[in-house]
Amino acid sequence: AQRVTQPEKLLSVFKGAPVELKCNYSYSGSPELFWYVQYSRQRLQLLLRHISRESIKGFTADLNKGETSFHLKKPFAQEEDSAMYYCALTRGFKTIFGAGTRLFVKA
Amino acid sequence: GAGVSQTPSNKVTEKGKYVELRCDPISGHTALYWYRQSLGQGPEFLIYFQGTGAADDSGLPNDRFFAVRPEGSVSTLKIQRTERGDSAVYLCASSTRTGRTEAFFGQGTRLTVV
Repeated sequence: AQRVTQPEKLLSVFKGAPVELKCNYSYSGSPELFWYVQYSRQRLQLLLRHISRESIKGFTADLNKGETSFHLKKPFAQEEDSAMYYCALTRGFKTIFGAGTRLFVKA
Repeated sequence: GAGVSQTPSNKVTEKGKYVELRCDPISGHTALYWYRQSLGQGPEFLIYFQGTGAADDSGLPNDRFFAVRPEGSVSTLKIQRTERGDSAVYLCASSTRTGRTEAFFGQGTRLTVV
């Protein structure tokens, strides 16, 4: 079965420190993977998708098919990065979300 | 409006009552999705519409849940005989087409069954 696992519920880092939010998936085909973010009191929004290989707000994510991972990374965390982050896998028209990781960036 | 709109933003209902949750997608978006998000969990897929038809309702938990989109725009999620376990945030999203394009989410309806 398709599944997205985010092993950390909470990740706390200091401003300026590197951050990595882990995501592992299980999927038998070629996955389409995304990271969504939800800032405080805002709606869920797309952060980035693996097919575009883009960097948004300094975040990048590389799909590692061998390890079935799609970790989200940023070299220098900012306070405004504090939010809930969800890794998601799309199969056809159905998107499966992980449970989310709350990132807290301390001053 | 510019984004996906959901009404009401909050709904408190008594166990056993019937509720309707409304979603107004972005104009021109043919794909519409409903998700349910329980506390501490990510959004869980409920149903997907392409136009007026429900292309996949495999995520609806049981027959108390039903959704319609009669004119291919506004959608209503209907829950009969509500139970306390139905309490959650119900999210709606829309996109121009399926899967590979960005889905835009509404702010959600927080349903509380007491």
